[in-house]
Amino acid sequence: DGGITQSPKYLFRKEGQNVTLSCEQNLNHDAMYWYRQDPGQGLRLIYYSQIVNDFQKGDIAEGYSVSREKKESFPLTVTSAQKNPTAFYLCASSIQGEKLFFGSGTQLSVL
Amino acid sequence: EDQVTQSPEALRLQEGESSSLNCSYTVSGLRGLFWYRQDPGKGPEFLFTLYSAGEEKEKERLKATLTKKESFLHITAPKPEDSATYLCAVQSSGSARQLTFGSGTQLTVLP
Repeated sequence: DGGITQSPKYLFRKEGQNVTLSCEQNLNHDAMYWYRQDPGQGLRLIYYSQIVNDFQKGDIAEGYSVSREKKESFPLTVTSAQKNPTAFYLCASSIQGEKLFFGSGTQLSVL
Repeated sequence: EDQVTQSPEALRLQEGESSSLNCSYTVSGLRGLFWYRQDPGKGPEFLFTLYSAGEEKEKERLKATLTKKESFLHITAPKPEDSATYLCAVQSSGSARQLTFGSGTQLTVLP
């Protein structure tokens, strides 16, 4: 079955540590996205990529980094510069400009 | 700047009690309005896309409608399995074409 796989489902970060969230899709979509979801708030865009080896900052990119070396993969690194990283992180993909397909999410917490 | 406001924030219904969820939006040229369903701890699941005022779409007990300022998600004779958070998002016709999400309506249907 085609879809988007996020791992791990739960992740814990220590002070000063960088952590990487994985996102893989087999839908052959060109565009991929990372969103952050906090309780009671809408999804906020962190980064997006419309093509391999290219990506753009979203509304809340500070403290995060991404790479897009393969069409299928779009990992997100939460760096130590992100002072409030606790949130539910969602990866999505789409055909350009069309509806988003979402993964099952990663819950990141701070130890 | 695109904005999306959903109301109410939370809604409790008895099984079979029909109601509507509201999504008000401001956007510089609407390309599409999207409805998603999100279960706790999971990624959003696509329901509908509406493109122009007057358009309606239906799926089982759900019906989505669109005007120039708002969209409604009508739920007819809901069942407990319809309990979820319903998210609305708009996509502008600008070059970025990114989605702006509302904060959602948490629906609980009691048996």
